[in-house]
Amino acid sequence: AQSVTQPDIHITVSEGASLELRCNYSYGATPYLFWYVQSPGQGLQLLLKYFSGDTLVQGIKGFEAEFKRSQSSFNLRKPSVHWSDAAEYFCAAGGGNKLTFGTGTQLKVEL
Amino acid sequence: ETGVTQTPRHLVMGMTNKKSLKCEQHLGHNAMYWYKQSAKKPLELMFVYNFKEQTENNSVPSRFSPECPNSSHLFLHLHTLQPEDSALYLCASSQVATGYAGNTIYFGEGSWLTVV
Repeated sequence: AQSVTQPDIHITVSEGASLELRCNYSYGATPYLFWYVQSPGQGLQLLLKYFSGDTLVQGIKGFEAEFKRSQSSFNLRKPSVHWSDAAEYFCAAGGGNKLTFGTGTQLKVEL
Repeated sequence: ETGVTQTPRHLVMGMTNKKSLKCEQHLGHNAMYWYKQSAKKPLELMFVYNFKEQTENNSVPSRFSPECPNSSHLFLHLHTLQPEDSALYLCASSQVATGYAGNTIYFGEGSWLTVV
């Protein structure tokens, strides 16, 4: 069965610092991978997605993610975090009715 | 972003009440979903509709009754709920309901439900 693991439940970074959120997946084939962000009291917003091709994917709000097949990873990065990036981040694999979510990483940004 | 719109955003209801959550998508999609998000728990897929037909019901109690009159609208009818049903209910849509490449799911802002 497919699964998505986000090893870090909470991460705290200082504003202006770089960020990397980890995501590992277990999937039968090359998965379709997503990162979503959820601000407090809001729904999930799609940040970026990977289906095939270039393994470095650019998303909205200055985020990027890199697909590494050898490590079964799809880590999310941002060079310089802003206070408004404080939110919960979900990695997901699959698609449609077969979308599997990780348990999320809560990001806190210190000013 | 107004691709998927949910109303009401907040709902407080008693255990004997009957209420409904509404979802509308403006993306031209054919699949719609209800998810439940409780504190400290992973997202739970509740129902899936594909071209107005229900294709999945993930063992959801009958006190939750979905309705999909057309591909753009989805309802979740609520009756005799329990306090543990208090959660954020998320509506979502995608082109179709199958898990093929490109079938990205887009979410609404959610409806916060409190059962008292």
